Amino acid sequence: GAGVSQTPSNKVTEKGKYVELRCDPISGHTALYWYRQSLGQGPEFLIYFQGTGAADDSGLPNDRFFAVRPEGSVSTLKIQRTERGDSAVYLCASSLTSTYPTDTQYFGPGTRLTVL
Amino acid sequence: AQTVTQSQPEMSVQEAETVTLSCTYDTSENNYYLFWYKQPPSRQMILVIRQEAYKQQNATENRFSVNFQKAAKSFSLKISDSQLGDTAMYFCAFMKHGVRGAGSYQLTFGKGTKLSVIP
Repeated sequence: GAGVSQTPSNKVTEKGKYVELRCDPISGHTALYWYRQSLGQGPEFLIYFQGTGAADDSGLPNDRFFAVRPEGSVSTLKIQRTERGDSAVYLCASSLTSTYPTDTQYFGPGTRLTVL
Repeated sequence: AQTVTQSQPEMSVQEAETVTLSCTYDTSENNYYLFWYKQPPSRQMILVIRQEAYKQQNATENRFSVNFQKAAKSFSLKISDSQLGDTAMYFCAFMKHGVRGAGSYQLTFGKGTKLSVIP
C-alpha cells in the first residue's frame, strides 16, 4: 500500500511569510508525528497526534508553529512569520497505533523548507 | 531527558565486508525501545531494526543485527555482507515505553553516521 506522503517536497519562501506543510499518513494509522531535521543533525520531535488531538506538542519551538489534524487523517504543519532559522527538512511519520507492538513509526520523504 | 550519541560521523566499508556502527544513550527509564533507521539520499527514513529493552536477546533482521548492552547503555548495529545499497546515513533512536505523558511516543535521534560502501 501507499506510504506516508508529504507535499510539497520543496518549499522556498521569504522571511516573514506564512507556510503550510501537508502530511498524508498511511491509511488506517491513528498516530501521526512531525519532526524537524536541520542540516547535519538527526530529526527532532515537534508534535504527536493521536486521532484528531495533539497528545504531545512539547517539541514545538515557539508559538509561530502550529499543527492540525481535523479529521484524524491528513495533518498540516503551519508556520507563521517564518525566520531563516526555520530552514530545515520537516518529516512526518505515522504508526498504526501508539502502543506496542504496532507503534513502529513509518516516515515520509519530508518537505525541505528554505527561508530566504 | 534522553540523549543518544553516535560517535562516528562517517565510516566506510568494502563491499561484502562487515561493519559495526556505535550508539550509546543516556536515560533513567527502565522500559524503552531502541531503533536503527537508515536515511538514503532520497531522505526517506527506513526502519532497519528494533530492540525492546526488556528482551535480552539481540534483534536480528537478515544481514542486520544489534549488540544491545543494557547496563552499558550501548546499542551497536552490525551490517554483514555489506552491499552498495547500504550506503546511507544511519540514525540510532530511543523511545520511552508507551505510557501516557509528555515525552512518550516521540523518538529521540542521534546525529547519525554516514556509511559509505566501497565497491
